[in-house]
Amino acid sequence: DVKVTQSSRYLVKRTGEKVFLECVQDMDHENMFWYRQDPGLGLRLIYFSYDVKMKEKGDIPEGYSVSREKKERFSLILESASTNQTSMYLCASTTGSYNEQFFGPGTRLTVL
Amino acid sequence: DAKTTQPPSMDCAEGRAANLPCNHSTISGNEYVYWYRQIHSQGPQYIIHGLKNNETNEMASLIITEDRKSSTLILPHATLRDTAVYYCIVRLFYNQGGKLIFGQGTELSVKP
Repeated sequence: DVKVTQSSRYLVKRTGEKVFLECVQDMDHENMFWYRQDPGLGLRLIYFSYDVKMKEKGDIPEGYSVSREKKERFSLILESASTNQTSMYLCASTTGSYNEQFFGPGTRLTVL
Repeated sequence: DAKTTQPPSMDCAEGRAANLPCNHSTISGNEYVYWYRQIHSQGPQYIIHGLKNNETNEMASLIITEDRKSSTLILPHATLRDTAVYYCIVRLFYNQGGKLIFGQGTELSVKP
């Protein structure tokens, strides 16, 4: 089975902290994605990557950066966390742009 | 990607068929219809996708109207574990990195 894992299920950080969210997939997928999910707003794409060291901005990249040094790992970085970044963060991967995306369990981040 | 419209919520009796509608009146000829679902506190899960022919897999059936302006996801024998938010997504088969645009979805409650 495809497995997408995320480093934490729950995370609490303080305003101004640097936050790293890690995502690992074990199926050699080329494409990886970071979404955030908020009540009433649904899932929104933050960044995606279609190859190692490649990244593309999604719909809401402001305040975030990403890193993909290895094919299996895609990290989301909040350089200076703010309270409006409190959200559920979901990572996904796919073997091609047309194939189904496999999602991780999500990380619920609270910024105080 | 075309916009979709779904009812915000639906109920279904356990063991009965659940029919979830989706309107996508602005769909273009090379856009596919995808369905995902999200069970509470989990990441979204792919269900099925199609272009213009009806599709069936072990989870569900997808019925697309001849003019492709609407579709219906059918869960033939709903169980309590099918309680989830169901998302209908219309997207190009080969689109920008494979990103998905999620709407608000339909919250399906399967009741005993």
